[in-house]
Amino acid sequence: EDQVTQSPEALRLQEGESSSLNCSYTVSGLRGLFWYRQDPGKGPEFLFTLYSAGEEKEKERLKATLTKKESFLHITAPKPEDSATYLCAVRSYNNNDMRFGAGTRLTVKP
Amino acid sequence: EAQVTQNPRYLITVTGKKLTVTCSQNMNHEYMSWYRQDPGLGLRQIYYSMNVEVTDKGDVPEGYKVSRKEKRNFPLILESPSPNQTSLYFCASSPDAANTIYFGEGSWLTVV
Repeated sequence: EDQVTQSPEALRLQEGESSSLNCSYTVSGLRGLFWYRQDPGKGPEFLFTLYSAGEEKEKERLKATLTKKESFLHITAPKPEDSATYLCAVRSYNNNDMRFGAGTRLTVKP
Repeated sequence: EAQVTQNPRYLITVTGKKLTVTCSQNMNHEYMSWYRQDPGLGLRQIYYSMNVEVTDKGDVPEGYKVSRKEKRNFPLILESPSPNQTSLYFCASSPDAANTIYFGEGSWLTVV
């Protein structure tokens, strides 16, 4: 069965303090790995899709990378407005669903 | 504007009173799905649909029904709601089973 594990569960950073969020996955035949941002009480907002090991995507202060077993979401010089829960999800060739990790709750203090 | 629209956004109901949460998308997507989100459990898929008249169970289908009579609509039906169905529900759609899915704003459901 496809599994997605995110760590840490929660992360508190000072403004400007760079860090990384981890997403480990177990799937048989990865179709794609997806990162979302979710603000409290709102629907997840799409950030990136990664399809193969070695691929990288960037958007503003965020950079997502992918290996054969995990993905990292690097946050460079974060700002308070980056505070949110970041969700990782996978789609595989085995089934038709999108499986989510439990998320990392990021808090950036000014 | 491309979007997934759910209604109602907020609902308090009583145990056993049938309710329907509607979902509509205007992107001509083939794939639609329903998730529930609970603290500590993350997003869990209830049902999904690959196309009109094609639906399948996700991880937590018990107590729910769905239908896909038209491409744009995918209602979630709770025939006899129970308090353990109190949750935040999201409808989502995608061009197909391989692509990014796009979420609605969510429906807060409380069953008392």
